[in-house]
Amino acid sequence: GAGVSQSPRYKVAKRGQDVALRCDPISGHVSLFWYQQALGQGPEFLTYFQNEAQLDKSGLPSDRFFAERPEGSVSTLKIQRTQQEDSAVYLCASSLAGTGEETQYFGPGTRLLVL
Amino acid sequence: DQQVKQNSPSLSVQEGRISILNCDYTNSMFDYFLWYKKYPAEGPTFLISISSIKDKNEDGRFTVFLNKSAKHLSLHIVPSQPGDSAVYFCAASAPYTGANSKLTFGKGITLSVRP
Repeated sequence: GAGVSQSPRYKVAKRGQDVALRCDPISGHVSLFWYQQALGQGPEFLTYFQNEAQLDKSGLPSDRFFAERPEGSVSTLKIQRTQQEDSAVYLCASSLAGTGEETQYFGPGTRLLVL
Repeated sequence: DQQVKQNSPSLSVQEGRISILNCDYTNSMFDYFLWYKKYPAEGPTFLISISSIKDKNEDGRFTVFLNKSAKHLSLHIVPSQPGDSAVYFCAASAPYTGANSKLTFGKGITLSVRP
């Protein structure tokens, strides 16, 4: 497709449930980023992939968060045993190389609500 | 500790006038700065960027100014149009100091342009 797509757009989960969020980056983009945006805040970095390699996961808030990009294109962010504080919009972005002065292009986000 | 600060949460201007959105940063390693625009229920859309080797970058109605010694940048929109009403995020990266160009965002400024 022409842009970054994410699914589902909205997800309601019960506390303790596992969720999986999908990101389809722009075709040919080597780099993929995940961000978390809490209400009233700016996006915060979670993790970064270059092709299939997860090179930076310093922003993941706990070991309940796991991300993968097994074939270097589609990525999945998984949250295990969701907690209410996980409620946020999860944004995916891709860029051509991910290094240097590059523009990141964002998807529409997945809004997660944990009850 | 907020490394990118947008201290004014909102701004209201008359259509046709200038909008000036400010952003301050604390990390002296930041070398690349971007502005994103966000409508409700959509992902951030790239607007304009500036490298630290420049002090000004212009694209149509949008101009970004960078004062590196003051660690301050601003986005000017002239003339402002009602369609510019959105949340504007300032973001920064340190592309030459690490392995990737992850972005650090401010909290955003809500711009309202009155007809």
